[in-house]
Amino acid sequence: EPEVTQTPSHQVTQMGQEVILRCVPISNHLYFYWYRQILGQKVEFLVSFYNNEISEKSEIFDDQFSVERPDGSNFTLKIRSTKLEDSAMYFCASDRGLSNQPQHFGDGTRLSIL
Amino acid sequence: KQEVTQIPAALSVPEGENLVLNCSFTDSAIYNLQWFRQDPGKGLTSLLLIQSSQREQTSGRLNASLDKSSGRSTLYIAASQPGDSATYLCAVKPGTASKLTFGTGTRLQVTL
Repeated sequence: EPEVTQTPSHQVTQMGQEVILRCVPISNHLYFYWYRQILGQKVEFLVSFYNNEISEKSEIFDDQFSVERPDGSNFTLKIRSTKLEDSAMYFCASDRGLSNQPQHFGDGTRLSIL
Repeated sequence: KQEVTQIPAALSVPEGENLVLNCSFTDSAIYNLQWFRQDPGKGLTSLLLIQSSQREQTSGRLNASLDKSSGRSTLYIAASQPGDSATYLCAVKPGTASKLTFGTGTRLQVTL
């Protein structure tokens, strides 16, 4: 069964540095998402992406964050000037936008900011 | 703004018991609802999806129901096993290209 794949599985970065989290959504999916989960807290929506543009973003997704689909397969989340509070698990997801089909999630990237 | 609540927050049951996990949401205008399983430090595994027009879905020992008008869903797990121990999350989707709004989860432990 096709899967959403995320790399790296764990990223450790110094505060203030930039990180890029990578995702390969399922190939016939049209809608792509990033979520994050701070340890012990809810999964929170960050941004959705469709037809090469952002379709919705949360208040968390400020100017520090950006997303890109640089080619036909990858979907990236860039975090600039990382802060301690950016430490979280980041999940990529994709779906076809149909009511009878689920949103599929990757295994996540654990981001640790030191 | 959609709010999703799950009760109980944690549950411990002996192996073999049947159990029910509850999910409630404040806005009944949903497109579908998904139940997920999350093992510690791991990703989200989709268990069941119920469309807004459906009342229930079944997969093996799992049965999920949906009462959209009252803003409730339940996940029934039959004959629980230690391997069922995980956190169970429900999430609602308001439209086609929309984000999922997640509940806080129920942490389940099935003991021998």
